[in-house]
Amino acid sequence: EVVMTQSPATLSVSPGERATLSCRASRSVGNNLAWYQQKPGQAPRLLIYASSTTFPGVPARFRGSGSGTDFTLTITSLQSEDFAMYYCQQYHDWPPLTFGGGTKVEIK
Amino acid sequence: QVQLAQSGAEVKKPGASVKVSCKTSGYSFTSFYVSWVRQAPGQGPEWMGLINPNDGTTTYAQKFRGRVTMTRDTSTRTVYMELSGLRSEDKAVYYCARGNTMTVFDYWGQGVQVTVSS
Repeated sequence: EVVMTQSPATLSVSPGERATLSCRASRSVGNNLAWYQQKPGQAPRLLIYASSTTFPGVPARFRGSGSGTDFTLTITSLQSEDFAMYYCQQYHDWPPLTFGGGTKVEIK
Repeated sequence: QVQLAQSGAEVKKPGASVKVSCKTSGYSFTSFYVSWVRQAPGQGPEWMGLINPNDGTTTYAQKFRGRVTMTRDTSTRTVYMELSGLRSEDKAVYYCARGNTMTVFDYWGQGVQVTVSS
């Protein structure tokens, strides 16, 4: 199966600053990569799919990039509601569909 | 609006089975696959499998084959996930999620806490 590795595990950022999250696949997944945000006690929420396409209703400060094995989620100018867990998911080579272990974005 | 409403929390003994429901509304039920994803405490999500509500065909993750069964009822727009042979490591929140283009999850249920305890 394709193993997804996210880094860092925890990212401490001040409100208004930029956050850069990384996701690496154990083999190429093309651009078949999605990003989700999850807050405590809630289901994940789709932010980005096809590596860089923003899901409707998601603020423009969320930007995805990358292809092959290396992907990045950038959150420009962090807002208070952005502090959460973030997961990447590949859908190129399945079953199984696989998720990363997550990055926690916390307030610095 | 699109909604996936799941059944309530479950407490089961080791070796038992659990069946969780996911009632959908707000979209064409037979046009979108539904996946089941679980999340153990402090862990990332784990995909268990999916069902095509149009014809009931399923694809399961190898890890769960033989223990999981996904079904649907088109008359009530509900999908079900049954997991048998429960063990302590099956303690998790179980989510249903609608698959946009099958494998990208655009809408999720609220999750069901399943606890396995003797």
